[in-house]
Amino acid sequence: DTGVSQDPRHKITKRGQNVTFRCDPISEHNRLYWYRQTLGQGPEFLTYFQNEAQLEKSRLLSDRFSAERPKGSFSTLEIQRTEQGDSAMYLCASSPSPGPKTYGYTFGSGTRLTVV
Amino acid sequence: AQSVTQLDSQVPVFEEAPVELRCNYSSSVSVYLFWYVQYPNQGLQLLLKYLSGSTLVKGINGFEAEFNKSQTSFHLRKPSVHISDTAEYFCAVRPNQAGTALIFGKGTTLSVSS
Repeated sequence: DTGVSQDPRHKITKRGQNVTFRCDPISEHNRLYWYRQTLGQGPEFLTYFQNEAQLEKSRLLSDRFSAERPKGSFSTLEIQRTEQGDSAMYLCASSPSPGPKTYGYTFGSGTRLTVV
Repeated sequence: AQSVTQLDSQVPVFEEAPVELRCNYSSSVSVYLFWYVQYPNQGLQLLLKYLSGSTLVKGINGFEAEFNKSQTSFHLRKPSVHISDTAEYFCAVRPNQAGTALIFGKGTTLSVSS
């Protein structure tokens, strides 16, 4: 078990370009979450999957953002037509189904996006 | 809706001093409570959690927190801090109902100096 992996660690892109991030959760975790963290703020929830089903999306997830988890394993987060306001750390987390000992997520190290 | 307020954005302390990082929450339903730590350029690591039972919970690295339902607080404490405790600390809540998103506070920067 290597934890939650995110790729790339850093991404610099020009405004208007599309970017895609990948998250590989802990293999036995069926729940996967995406959060965005801007400087000086706590992580803000974007969306979550249970297996391959996207069950909840935040209002923060505009129509330029799309997330997938096609086989219930890894997930991708795509941002189309990036804007400078999209610059942030994008965090992925995973968890098993809730139970007495399983609350709390395992976070990856994040992908830092800079839009120039 | 739930919300989390971390009352101090920055807490500077000297090494070996005690520290308390304050967290208040609001919720119309019962919640689970968490503290996470984030070191520079890293993801978040779970320090401790309160699900039920004893209101005093102990976590990793010598941290503990006390759940106070009447004051809707979940303050984090450590009796003696180390330089290595310098990091960002986040309090988070999760409603005890369907829907599982953790809601985070804005964080408290703990700076430990010698």
